[in-house]
Order: sequence, then structure tokens, then C-alpha cells
Amino acid sequence: KNEVEQSPQNLTAQEGEFITINCSYSVGISALHWLQQHPGGGIVSLFMLSSGKKKHGRLIATINIQEKHSSLHITASHPRDSAVYICAVRDNYQLIWGAGTKLIIKP
Amino acid sequence: NAGVMQNPRHLVRRRGQEARLRCSPMKGHSHVYWYRQLPEEGLKFMVYLQKENIIDESGMPKERFSAEFPKEGPSILRIQQVVRGDSAAYFCASSPRETGGPQMKLFFGSGTQLSVL
Repeated sequence: KNEVEQSPQNLTAQEGEFITINCSYSVGISALHWLQQHPGGGIVSLFMLSSGKKKHGRLIATINIQEKHSSLHITASHPRDSAVYICAVRDNYQLIWGAGTKLIIKP
Repeated sequence: NAGVMQNPRHLVRRRGQEARLRCSPMKGHSHVYWYRQLPEEGLKFMVYLQKENIIDESGMPKERFSAEFPKEGPSILRIQQVVRGDSAAYFCASSPRETGGPQMKLFFGSGTQLSVL
């Protein structure tokens, strides 16, 4: 069993839909990162969470430390949101990465 | 304030050549991390450096790989005598403070894609 599990692996949705990507982990962590990897390979850090909820524009990330679960939500999705979204948990500076969720938003 | 800068964006080398990958951290950041992403795999930690010091190189292959972060200039990841298995995306991240604790935020570069022919 992987230490970080993401679901779904692939997600295709229509523009405007509300998107949820889930991440469950089985190890102790000091923080959880949500990252976005574009087709060109570049990685952008979206959020770093250690508790609660964060919001940035149309993106919302939540974490439940007791349940070892985090979610990334995208409201009013747009084709430019199409990318791979990666959950990574951190213990000190060691990062354990999920396999990623490939999101495609169709116009 | 420019982000983490990596260059080159793409690097092609023949087997046996040397590859040098550069990472300029964000201004004010003195901590640099290198990660490698092999095809179809997640990122793997390689090495953590502070200025002029290697703090943790436990993820770095024992041979052919080395890293430095001099007092002046970018951090360099050096791969000697490259082999096809070295083909991967190499990402650098920087942070402004020491490791540990929930407040350490990593800022990632866009990566260098190394292709070994």
C-alpha cells in the first residue's frame, strides 16, 4: 500500500464544474503540499497545509489531521486548470509524493 | 522577486559526458533541495544543501553524482559520465528557513529535463 494515495487518478469534467481531488496518507507528517504540474513539466506549489483550510482564488485546500486526509477543490473550473495535481506529504524535508491526478477540463 | 530559476530547461548529453544543472534559489533563500523525477514516478529527494554545506545527501547515488551550493552563485548538481538511466526531470526547490516545522514552504523551480542519448 502506498503511503500517499490520491483519487481519482484521472478526471475529465466540463468547464464550470466543481472539482474535488482527494489525498489520503498513512504516515506522520509535518505538512502537506498540493502542487500543480503542467504538461511542460514545471511544478507550481499551490498550498502548504498543516491544519484547517486555505483558499486562493478558485482553489480551496482542506486537511483533516486526525483522519489523515486532504482535499483540493476547484470552483468554476476552466480549461486552463487542466494539469496534474500532486499531493505530497512532508516529514522534515523528505517529501513523499502521491501518483498525481490528471485533470482535463473541457470547454 | 524572481522565483527559483533552473537552467538549462532541457539538456541533452551523450553517454559518458558530464551534465551540470543549475539552480538559483529565490532571493533571500539559503536552503536548496534537489529532487529527481523519473518517468512515470514521483519525485525522489536527492540532496539538501545550505550555503557551502551539504546537510543531507542520503538520496543521492553514491557514484557520479555531486552537488554544491557555493557562497556566491547558484547551486550545481553535477552528474559525471552520464548513462541512459540518468534521463529524468531534475527539480530544485528553495526555502528561506531551516528544515522542519509546518511553516517551511518550498518554492520549486520549473525543472531541467535531462536526456541521455
